[in-house]
Amino acid sequence: AAGVIQSPRHLIKEKRETATLKCYPIPRHDTVYWYQQGPGQDPQFLISFYEKMQSDKGSIPDRFSAQQFSDYHSELNMSSLELGDSALYFCASSLGTSGRAKVGEQYFGPGTRLTVT
Amino acid sequence: QKEVEQDPGPLSVPEGAIVSLNCTYSNSAFQYFMWYRQYSRKGPELLMYTYSSGNKEDGRFTAQVDKSSKYISLFIRDSQPSDSATYLCAMFTSGTYKYIFGTGTRLKVLA
Repeated sequence: AAGVIQSPRHLIKEKRETATLKCYPIPRHDTVYWYQQGPGQDPQFLISFYEKMQSDKGSIPDRFSAQQFSDYHSELNMSSLELGDSALYFCASSLGTSGRAKVGEQYFGPGTRLTVT
Repeated sequence: QKEVEQDPGPLSVPEGAIVSLNCTYSNSAFQYFMWYRQYSRKGPELLMYTYSSGNKEDGRFTAQVDKSSKYISLFIRDSQPSDSATYLCAMFTSGTYKYIFGTGTRLKVLA
């Protein structure tokens, strides 16, 4: 079965640079979530999109922005990178809460490991 | 105080033991409860998902929810070394699109 795809898998950037992470949800999933997971930490919710609209916002810095496109893939743009941004960034997808969708079944991608030097 | 609390462990058990992993939560609006397994440097993998109080069984795994006590558990029977991973509980409320995770419990099953 198709899973959530994230690219790139690894990214090394210098301080103050920008980075763009991409997420391709499971086919027919309309909801995308972004999480940041530091070493030994739980995934911290950043932002989510449902049907291409931002649906919820968590602890996402103002330096970060994201969007969901017409094909439901999502991109997380990170600017003015700081050392503390080094983490695993996970994307997850699910079906939204409409219709007979299986609410709650959120599937994670393999993550992008961002290292800021 | 975090909305979801989970003992970080590590928890070491011998192969074949029954493992009990637990989370408590403070937000009574949470309606959906998930358990994820995360191997090192991998994305969390959904194990079980439930929305009602009581037990839900899937193979060697049983998820238990007690909404009156705001307490959820995951039981693993006949634990195997391949079960060694970090187990994360997660919760959310219908109508929102924000999952709240526990810190995860590191489990090590010794052969």
